Amino acid sequence: GAVVSQHPSWVICKSGTSVKIECRSLDFQATTMFWYRQFPKQSLMLMATSNEGSKATYEQGVEKDKFLINHASLTLSTLTVTSAHPEDSSFYICSAPGAGNQETQYFGPGTRLLVL
Amino acid sequence: SQQGEEDPQALSIQEGENATMNCSYKTSINNLQWYRQNSGRGLVHLILIRSNEREKHSGRLRVTLDTSKKSSSLLITASRAADTASYFCATRYVSQGGKLIFGQGTELSVKP
Repeated sequence: GAVVSQHPSWVICKSGTSVKIECRSLDFQATTMFWYRQFPKQSLMLMATSNEGSKATYEQGVEKDKFLINHASLTLSTLTVTSAHPEDSSFYICSAPGAGNQETQYFGPGTRLLVL
Repeated sequence: SQQGEEDPQALSIQEGENATMNCSYKTSINNLQWYRQNSGRGLVHLILIRSNEREKHSGRLRVTLDTSKKSSSLLITASRAADTASYFCATRYVSQGGKLIFGQGTELSVKP
């Protein structure tokens, strides 16, 4: 089946630094990818839709200048958390729709971010 | 928020018992999907049911969909300790393109 990878799987950084998370579709192309954030014991909250060749679409309440998304190619989307603060510590998960009717989405394994 | 509701929030049962989780959503959907997440891990896709379907089976899983009540249920029969995880429903709304909106989840604990 289709595989989505994320890198890194976990990262610890100091407050004020920026962190980049990569999401790759390994054996299929994805013109659209989705970024989610999950706090402990909570559900996944959709942050934004990443669109290849155009600007990302952000969900209400998500700061686009804080969470920069770049869909550089048909297999890569990146999420950069700029000037990270402890409240940005979370589990970040990306997904990509499969080919065809795109009913199924393939999720990456997630990236755990801890900001000290 | 468009997030769906799930109940119960937590469910604790003995091995061998059945587990039922419910999910409600708000507007017209293309499909509804169920996922499992082990603690701190990624999501595992369990089953997808389309808006024109009423019931679907996959192994020990049974999913029903009632579009008139905007609700779905996931039944896990003959549960095992390995079924211990969080379960989420996710809806793909007609008006929202391809994105999935997740419910709040049910934390299932199956005791051996």
